[in-house]
Amino acid sequence: GAVVSQHPSWVICKSGTSVKIECRSLDFQATTMFWYRQFPKQSLMLMATSNEGSKATYEQGVEKDKFLINHASLTLSTLTVTSAHPEDSSFYICSARGDRAYSPLHFGNGTRLTVT
Amino acid sequence: GEDVEQSLFLSVREGDSSVINCTYTDSSSTYLYWYKQEPGAGLQLLTYIFSNMDMKQDQRLTVLLNKKDKHLSLRIADTQTGDSAIYFCAEKGAQTSYDKVIFGPGTSLSVIP
Repeated sequence: GAVVSQHPSWVICKSGTSVKIECRSLDFQATTMFWYRQFPKQSLMLMATSNEGSKATYEQGVEKDKFLINHASLTLSTLTVTSAHPEDSSFYICSARGDRAYSPLHFGNGTRLTVT
Repeated sequence: GEDVEQSLFLSVREGDSSVINCTYTDSSSTYLYWYKQEPGAGLQLLTYIFSNMDMKQDQRLTVLLNKKDKHLSLRIADTQTGDSAIYFCAEKGAQTSYDKVIFGPGTSLSVIP
């Protein structure tokens, strides 16, 4: 149980275009989802916390207008990288937590974004 | 602020035990987790322990928690080549935001055949 599906697994796009990444909880309802960014050989950097039906909470230094997050249902959150630039190239990972206090985070398999 | 630290690299021979260590600073930690990340993949939850526990065992995995020293370890018995990966320690504390989990930098485990 507790499967998180993330799509696409990799994407290549041109500078200036927008890319949408989907994160779905397949067998549980996720009241909260998280978006992380991971640079090569580094740990995860939390970008934002997404709550179903409300605005996302962004970490300091993360541009909310560039990284648009929508959590329209209890099983789906999307991250849209707008007007992508080469420096946005990275590995983006989503995670979801169930609705119990001790629910651990379950992660998607990540999306490798390359902006040319 | 809260911080989680791990050694960055560990190399062991196949069949030996691996011990990955982690220290954290948040004395109010409620849950502590171990995740495994294989190349190009997301994080896989291996195990977690409540802060009121000292030890948890699950097949080849043994987690030890020393709350006084704020030290967490993950022991992998009979380490196999398939265990080669990056292992992240993470903690969730009562002082942090309810949903926020703090990750360590990850320990890269290499298993020598």
